Amino acid sequence: EPEVTQTPSHQVTQMGQEVILRCVPISNHLYFYWYRQILGQKVEFLVSFYNNEISEKSEIFDDQFSVERPDGSNFTLKIRSTKLEDSAMYFCASSPWLEGNEQYFGPGTRLTVT
Amino acid sequence: GENVEQHPSTLSVQEGDSAVIKCTYSDSASNYFPWYKQELGKGPQLIIDIRSNVGEKKDQRIAVTLNKTAKHFSLHITETQPEDSAVYFCAASLGRRALTFGSGTRLQVQP
Repeated sequence: EPEVTQTPSHQVTQMGQEVILRCVPISNHLYFYWYRQILGQKVEFLVSFYNNEISEKSEIFDDQFSVERPDGSNFTLKIRSTKLEDSAMYFCASSPWLEGNEQYFGPGTRLTVT
Repeated sequence: GENVEQHPSTLSVQEGDSAVIKCTYSDSASNYFPWYKQELGKGPQLIIDIRSNVGEKKDQRIAVTLNKTAKHFSLHITETQPEDSAVYFCAASLGRRALTFGSGTRLQVQP
């Protein structure tokens, strides 16, 4: 069964550093999403992406964040200058076009900012 | 924006019993209501969903009911098994827009 994959599984970085989190969505899906989950809290929406542009973003997704689909398979989330409060699990999700709006999540990247 | 409330936060049942988790939502325009199961260290796994044109949906031991008038929906798990132990999240959205998640229910099934 096709799955969303994410790399790395765990990223440790120092405050102020840039990080790039990578995702490979399910191959025939056209909508892509990033969510995050701070330890013990709700899953929160960050951004959605369709047809090579952002279709929706939350208040969390400020100028420090950017997304890109650099090729036909990868979908990346960049945080330009990490803060301590960016420490969280970051989940990528993808959704098909015609079959429905189900969102399928990857296993996540645990980001630790020290 | 949408707000989703979920209850209870923890639920402990004996193996074989039923478990019910309830959610309410605030935006009457929301039309898609999925349920996710999250095991430790893993991403949320879609287990069942319901759309606003349907009142109930069942898949083996799992069922979801939706009351649009009252703006609440529930997950029902029958004949619970130890492998059902996990955190369950409800969510709501309008079409393909962002999912708004509930705060989660930690279900523990005692053997």
